[in-house]
Amino acid sequence: AQSVTQLGSHVSVSEGALVLLRCNYSSSVPPYLFWYVQYPNQGLQLLLKYTTGATLVKGINGFEAEFKKSETSFHLTKPSAHMSDAAEYFCAVSKANQAGTALIFGKGTTLSVSS
Amino acid sequence: DVKVTQSSRYLVKRTGEKVFLECVQDMDHENMFWYRQDPGLGLRLIYFSYDVKMKEKGDIPEGYSVSREKKERFSLILESASTNQTSMYLCASSSGPTGRNTIYFGEGSWLTVV
Repeated sequence: AQSVTQLGSHVSVSEGALVLLRCNYSSSVPPYLFWYVQYPNQGLQLLLKYTTGATLVKGINGFEAEFKKSETSFHLTKPSAHMSDAAEYFCAVSKANQAGTALIFGKGTTLSVSS
Repeated sequence: DVKVTQSSRYLVKRTGEKVFLECVQDMDHENMFWYRQDPGLGLRLIYFSYDVKMKEKGDIPEGYSVSREKKERFSLILESASTNQTSMYLCASSSGPTGRNTIYFGEGSWLTVV
């Protein structure tokens, strides 16, 4: 069975500091990996995804993530945090390219950004 | 833009009531999903559907059922609401194989059962 573990339910950074949100996955088949963001009282919005090819994936709002198969990780980073980045972030995994499957989500990490 | 619309943002229902949560997508997507979101638990899959009249149980289907009579509409049904079903419910849709294509989410329905 596939699963996702997000390390740290809450991360706090200062504005301008590096953002690092950790995600480890478990999958018996080649995974597709995703990061979603949720702003207060809204649904989820896709930040970026890894399917195949380049292991460093760039997303919206300056975020990027690197797929490391040897470490079963897909950590999300941003070089310089903005106040507007404060939100909840979810890592998710799915079975590669199979119809009739769904995303499995981690428990989420809340990012706080202080001035 | 893809739009996934959940008809009710906030609902308050009584224990034992039958509750319908409606979701409509406007992009002709084959796949539709219902997730439940609770603090500290993330999103948990209740049911999903990859075609009209088809449904698959997710991780927490107990106490729920679904209906998909038309491609654009996916309904979540709580046959007899209970207080432990107080939660945020998120509907989503996607086309083709789930892994390759983006899943789009609605804004959520906050359900309180009293």
